[in-house]
Amino acid sequence: AQTVTQSQPEMSVQEAETVTLSCTYDTSENNYYLFWYKQPPSRQMILVIRQEAYKQQNATENRFSVNFQKAAKSFSLKISDSQLGDTAMYFCAFMKDQGAQKLVFGQGTRLTINP
Amino acid sequence: DVKVTQSSRYLVKRTGEKVFLECVQDMDHENMFWYRQDPGLGLRLIYFSYDVKMKEKGDIPEGYSVSREKKERFSLILESASTNQTSMYLCASSLAGRGYRPLHFGNGTRLTVT
Repeated sequence: AQTVTQSQPEMSVQEAETVTLSCTYDTSENNYYLFWYKQPPSRQMILVIRQEAYKQQNATENRFSVNFQKAAKSFSLKISDSQLGDTAMYFCAFMKDQGAQKLVFGQGTRLTINP
Repeated sequence: DVKVTQSSRYLVKRTGEKVFLECVQDMDHENMFWYRQDPGLGLRLIYFSYDVKMKEKGDIPEGYSVSREKKERFSLILESASTNQTSMYLCASSLAGRGYRPLHFGNGTRLTVT
């Protein structure tokens, strides 16, 4: 079975700073996807970024980028130039390449951006 | 744009009641999911359905059942609600097929069992 671990329950930074959220996972699969989801107070789950395990290049989406270390089973999210609107719960998630699109989530990190 | 609608944003029920949580999607998705979200535990999969009348247990199915009589609707049933089922429940849907298909989430139902 796959597991996803987020070891930082809460983080807090000042606006415009850079922040990195950590995630590690465990799997015996070779092909899979990794995700970071954002959940603001509205509760809507928003996909921030996706990484395919077969791609060596780290995914980036504007101010969001990941550091994907497949051998170490590590998948951290870096938010550059943080904004007040980045305040939210962030979840790391894993999905196998085969079969149904079932996500396995980490425990979540509550990120607060302070003005 | 895909819409996944959960019928209630907040729900308060008494211990022992039978509770129905409803989820409807409007994009003809084959796959539908029910997750439970708790602080410090993240989201955990309760049940999954890949077609009408087809279902599969997730990681924490105990105390829950599901119904999928129509493709667009996936119901989560608490046969006899207990206080340890107080939680946030999130529904999601996706297309079937090989490779990645994005999941679309509803806005959640916060259930309190007293």
